[in-house]
Amino acid sequence: GAVVSQHPSWVICKSGTSVKIECRSLDFQATTMFWYRQFPKQSLMLMATSNEGSKATYEQGVEKDKFLINHASLTLSTLTVTSAHPEDSSFYICSARADRGRGNTIYFGEGSWLTVV
Amino acid sequence: DAKTTQPPSMDCAEGRAANLPCNHSTISGNEYVYWYRQIHSQGPQYIIHGLKNNETNEMASLIITEDRKSSTLILPHATLRDTAVYYCIVRVLTGGGNKLTFGTGTQLKVEL
Repeated sequence: GAVVSQHPSWVICKSGTSVKIECRSLDFQATTMFWYRQFPKQSLMLMATSNEGSKATYEQGVEKDKFLINHASLTLSTLTVTSAHPEDSSFYICSARADRGRGNTIYFGEGSWLTVV
Repeated sequence: DAKTTQPPSMDCAEGRAANLPCNHSTISGNEYVYWYRQIHSQGPQYIIHGLKNNETNEMASLIITEDRKSSTLILPHATLRDTAVYYCIVRVLTGGGNKLTFGTGTQLKVEL
């Protein structure tokens, strides 16, 4: 199946610092990528839709200035959690929509665990 | 996207078929039925999708009723590694509704 890679798999950062998570589609191009957050024992919550070459579209209640999304190429989107606080600790998951040849199917990365101390 | 309803949990004996139901009574004509699963602490894994015909791949079979208001995901010979949360999602392929909105899914537990 199609491969979406996230990096880092886990990160620990100090409160007040920023951390960047990368999402790459390894064997297909993705004009659109999505970022999710998942707290323990809960379902995935969509944070934003990332579009290559344009601004991201954020879901209601998600602070765009806190969760900066950049989709600079057809294979890479990044999520930067700025001024992180302990309540931002969560499992962050990206997904990418395959543009061609795979029926617009959406594939997910392995996820990134963020712990803010 | 149309909402889906799934049972919160199911058990299945290893080697037996696991049949996971999903109701999507308000599905629109251009919405596909997608199934993903999430093994603990991993990203969701794509399983299968369909519009109105039954589909089969190396992982599972998808049976969609003729009126498209419900579907069943079938894992023909469940193994312990199939223990996961299974999500049934309906979505259009293009436009603003092409994102995946996750419900609570079905926790499938495969036991010896």
